[in-house]
Amino acid sequence: QKEVEQNSGPLSVPEGAIASLNCTYSDRGSQSFFWYRQYSGKSPELIMFIYSNGDKEDGRFTAQLNKASQYVSLLIRDSQPSDSATYLCAVKRWANNLFFGTGTRLTVIP
Amino acid sequence: GAVVSQHPSWVICKSGTSVKIECRSLDFQATTMFWYRQFPKQSLMLMATSNEGSKATYEQGVEKDKFLINHASLTLSTLTVTSAHPEDSSFYICSARDSRAGGTDTQYFGPGTRLTVL
Repeated sequence: QKEVEQNSGPLSVPEGAIASLNCTYSDRGSQSFFWYRQYSGKSPELIMFIYSNGDKEDGRFTAQLNKASQYVSLLIRDSQPSDSATYLCAVKRWANNLFFGTGTRLTVIP
Repeated sequence: GAVVSQHPSWVICKSGTSVKIECRSLDFQATTMFWYRQFPKQSLMLMATSNEGSKATYEQGVEKDKFLINHASLTLSTLTVTSAHPEDSSFYICSARDSRAGGTDTQYFGPGTRLTVL
């Protein structure tokens, strides 16, 4: 079982819709969770992180964490074509490195 | 903020030569930096963890004698690809962990270095 699993996609949503990206992880001891966005040919950039169960909102982005079910999701409201990218979920255990999922490719259709 | 730079952003070299890539944390000190490699349309692959003042920890399958890592200061780590061959052509990305007190212990990525070996 992989440490972090994501649906590779591609996920296509129309402009203005909500894009929902999901991620599951295997280690219950995982402490913190990160979402990165990676445009083609570029390095990942941090979108947001979450530590506690529940929702965390930042602008059009909402991260949701459910430790009991071991999943973390990212919602993108009012999706824009500029949101088209690969979204990487990363999970960190205490004092350890990040474990990355393989990423979900999102395409927002104008 | 937390800014990480890499130099060069791209490099083309002949087979058999060595290439050095620098990774700098510009506005914070990073005791730990990471080196990743990414082939086209594939996910990030962690190559090694670089700790300031000590030897790097390499992931399984990564040749430590081929990919030399030096982390001599709290703001600089270097990756040297020795005797590069065409199969080493890839996108090399570093990241630095922001471990400042009160910080988020988040990893921030450099912009990457695209290496092409002819």
